[in-house]
Amino acid sequence: DAGVIQSPRHEVTEMGQEVTLRCKPISGHDYLFWYRQTMMRGLELLIYFNNNVPIDDSGMPEDRFSAKMPNASFSTLKIQPSEPRDSAVYFCASSFDSEKLFFGSGTQLSVL
Amino acid sequence: GENVEQHPSTLSVQEGDSAVIKCTYSDSASNYFPWYKQELGKRPQLIIDIRSNVGEKKDQRIAVTLNKTAKHFSLHITETQPEDSAVYFCAANSGYSTLTFGKGTMLLVSP
Repeated sequence: DAGVIQSPRHEVTEMGQEVTLRCKPISGHDYLFWYRQTMMRGLELLIYFNNNVPIDDSGMPEDRFSAKMPNASFSTLKIQPSEPRDSAVYFCASSFDSEKLFFGSGTQLSVL
Repeated sequence: GENVEQHPSTLSVQEGDSAVIKCTYSDSASNYFPWYKQELGKRPQLIIDIRSNVGEKKDQRIAVTLNKTAKHFSLHITETQPEDSAVYFCAANSGYSTLTFGKGTMLLVSP
């Protein structure tokens, strides 16, 4: 397995634009997590899915953030409209047991 | 919810020395405590974990200890090498199938 695959690796956009981050989990993993990493706040859980169903989205900072998982092999995290304070590294992770997380390579987002 | 405190935030050691990173957690129901290593520009990767039914676990040069009564756990790296330089995160689970991470410790091993 190629591991968790995220795209794009880098995204530079202007304030107000829509940003869509993509994730393909490891096949057979029933859990998918979206984390945001910043120097100030560390690794923050935004939302997680179990069997494609969102279970806990209490970490999603605002209504500007939304996430979907239409099938077992694909998830998106969307920010609309984006703001400079959204600049961070966004990680997707998957797990077969909700505990051992396998992280993707992350998306470095810069909002100018 | 769970709160995980980690210290120190930075740690510098000489090659061959030992390094210790400590974490405390707040939720007495937590029963799983992993440690992740993140090299510069890379993804976090699990290096060792421990469950609440054991007090210590070793894997070559790394070990983790857990004190449930005091609600703290530690990562020990012996005979450090330059390739151990990275950011290390501790984490604890909560009752909602999620991990709460500490803020991380930047370990620098000087040759």
